[in-house]
Amino acid sequence: EDQVTQSPEALRLQEGESSSLNCSYTVSGLRGLFWYRQDPGKGPEFLFTLYSAGEEKEKERLKATLTKKESFLHITAPKPEDSATYLCAVQADSSASKIIFGSGTRLSIRP
Amino acid sequence: DSGVTQTPKHLITATGQRVTLRCSPRSGDLSVYWYQQSLDQGLQFLIQYYNGEERAKGNILERFSAQQFPDLHSELNLSSLELGDSALYFCASSLGTSVTDEQFFGPGTRLTVL
Repeated sequence: EDQVTQSPEALRLQEGESSSLNCSYTVSGLRGLFWYRQDPGKGPEFLFTLYSAGEEKEKERLKATLTKKESFLHITAPKPEDSATYLCAVQADSSASKIIFGSGTRLSIRP
Repeated sequence: DSGVTQTPKHLITATGQRVTLRCSPRSGDLSVYWYQQSLDQGLQFLIQYYNGEERAKGNILERFSAQQFPDLHSELNLSSLELGDSALYFCASSLGTSVTDEQFFGPGTRLTVL
């Protein structure tokens, strides 16, 4: 069965303390892996799409990487405004047209 | 602001009732997607329409249906509502047909079934 697992469930960091969020997946024929940011009570905001192992993308303090089994979202020197839930999702041949989301990591950055 | 609008923002109704949620995509986007987000199930893809035609189907119940109109706005109809249907319903839009295209999400409709 296709599965997307995110860890940790929650992460509290001090401002400036870099860390990584993990998204592991078990699907057949990955077409794309997505990262979204979601603020409380709002819709997800697109961050990145990664298509193949070895690919990396960066945006401000965020960098996403992809291997054949997992993706990492690295956050460098985070600020309080980076506090949000980060969602990972995949679309694969085995899931037909479905997009499967992980349960998210709630990130909190203390000033 | 993503440019995607959803109405209403909140909806409170009773079990067994039927409701309609409305979505207007960003200007120029031809695809509309519907998602359900609940505390226990997380974010789940329901269905995609592209230029009026159903394009992809996810975990959408038979009690739910959707359509996209010629002006590209979309409606999600939920019938015979159950307590478990209480959730946030998001609409997203994208330019093309592929689910891997960048999607822009609306602010959501919070449905409460009592």
